[in-house]
Amino acid sequence: NAGVTQTPKFRVLKTGQSMTLLCAQDMNHEYMYWYRQDPGMGLRLIHYSVGEGTTAKGEVPDGYNVSRLKKQNFLLGLESAAPSQTSVYFCASGRQPETQYFGPGTRLLVL
Amino acid sequence: AQSVSQHNHHVILSEAASLELGCNYSYGGTVNLFWYVQYPGQHLQLLLKYFSGDPLVKGIKGFEAEFIKSKFSFNLRKPSVQWSDTAEYFCAVISGYSTLTFGKGTMLLVSP
Repeated sequence: NAGVTQTPKFRVLKTGQSMTLLCAQDMNHEYMYWYRQDPGMGLRLIHYSVGEGTTAKGEVPDGYNVSRLKKQNFLLGLESAAPSQTSVYFCASGRQPETQYFGPGTRLLVL
Repeated sequence: AQSVSQHNHHVILSEAASLELGCNYSYGGTVNLFWYVQYPGQHLQLLLKYFSGDPLVKGIKGFEAEFIKSKFSFNLRKPSVQWSDTAEYFCAVISGYSTLTFGKGTMLLVSP
């Protein structure tokens, strides 16, 4: 039981490049979330999913897209990276919105 | 929309000092409240949560929090901090079928 895993752990991009972050959970959770964490800003919700095939926008969705093709995976895509997207990205999952288990994070630097 | 306010961005304490971190939320209806902790270089871990019942909630590692509905507050306390409590602490709230809303965090530094 690995819990919530994130791939990659660290990535450097140039402005305009694209990439996909992968979140995987092996707990059969319905709910999955992508947050970004910036100094002094706490965690802000980017997108979330309440089940396979569903996605919804969070507080800061602009510049990101997501997909939940399989229940255990939640992908976060950046089509054209910008320096403002330099951040630490956390994925979380849970059976209910009230109980979330967080992954180890992905550090993204956009130059 | 719900919001969470954490009073202090940084707190510095000596070991054995008492800790109280303030948290206020804006939503007036039924809420569930949480405190998460993030140790340096690690992911968020749940410290404690309040759903209903006794407003004084005990969590892991000797932490507790008190829900005061009339003050819209959920302050975190610990009688005697240790160096290993150095971390960032986040208050969070959820209501109904919405999503978790986090405060901006309080960085606690405990000097030995």
